[in-house]
Formats: sequence, structure tokens, C-alpha cells
Amino acid sequence: EAGVTQFPSHSVIEKGQTVTLRCDPISGHDNLYWYRRVMGKEIKFLLHFVKESKQDESGMPNNRFLAERTGGTYSTLKVQPAELEDSGVYFCASSQTQRVSTDTQYFGPGTRLTVL
Amino acid sequence: DAKTTQPNSMESNEEEPVHLPCNHSTISGTDYIHWYRQLPSQGPEYVIHGLTSNVNNRMASLAIAEDRKSSTLILHRATLRDAAVYYCILRDSPGNQFYFGTGTSLTVIP
Repeated sequence: EAGVTQFPSHSVIEKGQTVTLRCDPISGHDNLYWYRRVMGKEIKFLLHFVKESKQDESGMPNNRFLAERTGGTYSTLKVQPAELEDSGVYFCASSQTQRVSTDTQYFGPGTRLTVL
Repeated sequence: DAKTTQPNSMESNEEEPVHLPCNHSTISGTDYIHWYRQLPSQGPEYVIHGLTSNVNNRMASLAIAEDRKSSTLILHRATLRDAAVYYCILRDSPGNQFYFGTGTSLTVIP
């Protein structure tokens, strides 16, 4: 069974440009999460999808970030326009069960975003 | 935001047991205790979770204090592949967020 995949693995862009990160969850997983770790900080929750619906987006830092999950399969996270402080590693995770307090989240390898 | 406190780093000799502590004094009755670890250049991976009782799986054991204000992840025989950052995470219901904290960086000495 394929795990969670993320694309690209590394992206280098200039301040003001747009970048779109993609996450393919494990097949059949309804829950999809985005997290990020910016330099020197802890891994922080960004948002949670249940199928195509945003269940919780309280961690999204500002309106330059837009996440979508059309059709309830893969998800994209767009940053527009990118700022220097957006540099970091963006992780995606997916899980299967409805009981989110006990479900196991499977993480992708992350996308390292560098904004110059 | 982090609800847990862990030592920044620990060392262990290979093939010896490792006890990784975690304090979570503000834990609520519905918070599950999850442990994840992050190997170098990888995303976090699940290790174990529990609510009140001690738990065992093929990777590790989780010992939870009677008052639930602390827990300990036990690796019975550390291997070099266990070198990672270990995160103790509280997960409430019906909340969705994982609060990762700073984690404990485990070094395994050959």
C-alpha cells in the first residue's frame, strides 16, 4: 500500500511568487491534515479536511494560504504571494477513522519550501 | 500551544532500554496521549497511544501515571535506527489538532 506522498520534495521560489504544494493521501483515508515547521519552531497544525470539507482551519496563518481538496482525494496548499517567513517544511498527513482522538495519522515526507 | 513538556535530548547505549518522559499536567479527561517520532529527513511516524492504561505494541510500551499528568515511552532495546526526535502529543476529542511540542532528540550510542 502506498503511503502519503507529497510533491514537490523541495521548492525554491522568490518572495512574491506563488507556490502550490500537493498531497496525495493514502487511498480511502477521509481525513487529511496539513502541518508545517518553520525554521527553529515546532511543528504546527494548519488545517484538517474530512473528505472535501474543511473541518478545522484554525491553524492557517493568514489569507495568503489557500487549501483545497476537490473530490475528497488529493489536496493542494497554495501560498500566494509567498513571504520569507513562509520558508519551512510542510507536512501532510492522512487518517482513516472517524474517531479523530484515537486515529493514527500517516505523514508524508514533507515539502521543503525556501522563499528567497 | 504545546501542552506537553519533554527533555530536549537524551542518550542511550545500543541494546539498552530507554525511558522517554513526558509531563502533561494540564491533561483533561478526554485527552489521549500519542507518541510519534521523526527520523531524519522524514515525516513523523506513529509509535503508540493510550488513554489511562499502560499499552504495549511491537515498537514500544507506554506507561501512564495514575493521575495521568505524566507518561513514559519505553523502548525496550534501543537500536541505531531508533535515533529520532520523539514527540509526546495530547489529542482531545472532538478536537482535531496535534500539539507537537519540541520533542526529545534521542541519540543512540553504538
